[in-house]
Amino acid sequence: GAVVSQHPSWVICKSGTSVKIECRSLDFQATTMFWYRQFPKQSLMLMATSNEGSKATYEQGVEKDKFLINHASLTLSTLTVTSAHPEDSSFYICSAAGGAHEKLFFGSGTQLSVL
Amino acid sequence: GQQLNQSPQSMFIQEGEDVSMNCTSSSIFNTWLWYKQDPGEGPVLLIALYKAGELTSNGRLTAQFGITRKDSFLNISASIPSDVGIYFCAGQYGGSQGNLIFGKGTKLSVKP
Repeated sequence: GAVVSQHPSWVICKSGTSVKIECRSLDFQATTMFWYRQFPKQSLMLMATSNEGSKATYEQGVEKDKFLINHASLTLSTLTVTSAHPEDSSFYICSAAGGAHEKLFFGSGTQLSVL
Repeated sequence: GQQLNQSPQSMFIQEGEDVSMNCTSSSIFNTWLWYKQDPGEGPVLLIALYKAGELTSNGRLTAQFGITRKDSFLNISASIPSDVGIYFCAGQYGGSQGNLIFGKGTKLSVKP
């Protein structure tokens, strides 16, 4: 089946620094990728839709200047958490559609801890 | 906004028992998806349902897309310890794959 790779798996950073998370579709091209955030024991909440070659579409309440998304190629989307603060600590997951019926496949997630 | 009610929130069962969980909504969905998530991992797609009334199996897993398009259930037969995890339903509306609403998850614990 389709594979989505996400890197890094976990990251610890100091408050005020920026962190970049990569999401790659390994065996298919994805014009659209999605970024989710998940708090402990909670469900996934869509943050933004990443569109190849154009600006991302952000969900209501998500700061686009804080969560920068770049989708420069058909196999790579990046999420940069700028000037991270402890409240940004969370599990971030990307997904991309591929294969028959354009099913949605998820990356393995990135656990961000901001000190 | 659209919401999914997933139940039960958690289950503690004995190995070998069958499991059933479901999701309901007041909204109509085009597609129902069932995912399993292990700790520290992303969700893994188990079953996708595309038509009302559709019944689909994947090994010991069986899921159905409700006739009203507002609900779905997932059954796991003869549970084994590796079935432990959190199961999420997701309903897709509209034409974009991103238009997914997730349930709050069902945490399954299996006692050997």
